[in-house]
Amino acid sequence: EVQLVESGGGLVQPGGSLRLSCEASGFTLIKYWMSWVRQAPGEGLEWVANINPDGSEKFYVDSVKGRFTISRDNAKNSLYLQLNSLRADDTAVYYCTRVGRWLHFDYWGQGALVTVSS
Amino acid sequence: AIQLTQSPSSLSASVGDRVTITCRASQGINSELVWYRQKPGKSPELLIYDASTLESGVPLRFSGSGSGTDFTLTISSLQPEDFATFYCQHFKSYPLTFGGGSKVEIK
Repeated sequence: EVQLVESGGGLVQPGGSLRLSCEASGFTLIKYWMSWVRQAPGEGLEWVANINPDGSEKFYVDSVKGRFTISRDNAKNSLYLQLNSLRADDTAVYYCTRVGRWLHFDYWGQGALVTVSS
Repeated sequence: AIQLTQSPSSLSASVGDRVTITCRASQGINSELVWYRQKPGKSPELLIYDASTLESGVPLRFSGSGSGTDFTLTISSLQPEDFATFYCQHFKSYPLTFGGGSKVEIK
């Protein structure tokens, strides 16, 4: 059974940093692109970043470029998202997702809440 | 960036009703479209990819159609677990974007 379990969410002040982790199980991580998708409270879904299987290709939505970094450690079955220079509008539930064959998201974690507030 | 516009943004329906949700892309995306369902308080789940291919395990009451700029998600007979929000997403190019969502409520 595919499982994605996020951790590392919490309350952070504007300008602060946070690192989200996602532990993957039930599939061979190195075979898949992975992604982060976020959802602000009461709002819709927003794709944040993608990373290819060996970590050499990364794509980001414009609003997080230069502030967020996606990475992975296939040996540890883990995906990460480093969030720097956080702003209030980064407040959201961040979902770790597995990317299917067609650049869609076929499995989702339960989400990690990041709240940016003073 | 390619924009996806869903309609309606919300609707009221009864169990057993046939429901249709549309998604319009700001430019042609072939059949590079996906549909998700998000139940209240839960993570989204994949329903349909490549505009019309049902994900394994998804009930047959769900179907998708369309290509180019206009797409449709149809639920043939609404079930209690379908009172949720539905999203479309394209995978034509980066940035990947979602529609604003269509919330299905109980009449």
